[in-house]
Amino acid sequence: TQTVSQSDAHVTVFEGDSVELRCNYSYGGSIYLSWYIQHHGRGLQFLLKYYSGNPVVQGVNGFEAEFSKSDSSFHLRKASVHWSDSAVYFCAVSANNYAQGLTFGLGTRVSVFP
Amino acid sequence: EAGVTQSPRYAVLQEGQAVSFWCDPISGHDTLYWYQQPRDQGPQLLVYFRDEAVIDNSQLPSDRFSAVRPKGTNSTLKIQSAKQGDTATYLCASSHAENSDYTFGSGTRLLVI
Repeated sequence: TQTVSQSDAHVTVFEGDSVELRCNYSYGGSIYLSWYIQHHGRGLQFLLKYYSGNPVVQGVNGFEAEFSKSDSSFHLRKASVHWSDSAVYFCAVSANNYAQGLTFGLGTRVSVFP
Repeated sequence: EAGVTQSPRYAVLQEGQAVSFWCDPISGHDTLYWYQQPRDQGPQLLVYFRDEAVIDNSQLPSDRFSAVRPKGTNSTLKIQSAKQGDTATYLCASSHAENSDYTFGSGTRLLVI
């Protein structure tokens, strides 16, 4: 089975700051990794995913993430946050076949102050 | 294209009551998922279908929960006798088996008192 760990429960930043959200996983086989954003009271919206190839993947709204096999990590970054980036961010993994369902971390709440 | 539609948006029940949640996936998506998301936690997969067939329901509490997708399109998740521990948001998602991205609905927020 695969597991996902998001070490930061809550991150506070100011508009224009950069932010990095950490995600570590454990699984021995081929793995799909993805990030989702959830605004308060809403469903999850897809940001980006990685399966193979370039370890740095670009997503929507200026987000990018970098896969590291040696560190078992898939950290999410944004160079300059906006107040609308305030939300909960979930890292998710799926083993082998992406359509088999996702295992999510506990999420990181990001609060962006003006 | 229309997104994943869920209803109702909210439900408040007393323990022991039954409730059903409905999901209309994106047209053409053959795979449909139900997730349970307790407050301040990540979503947890309950069950998923490919067309009308259940592929994995190992995390579905089978004594009180049931899910169907009879025509391979819409789906219903039912709780027969709700408990306070069922309080959560229930999310539906759909995808195409050939490696497309998931699309989530807005969820149904259930409160059991």
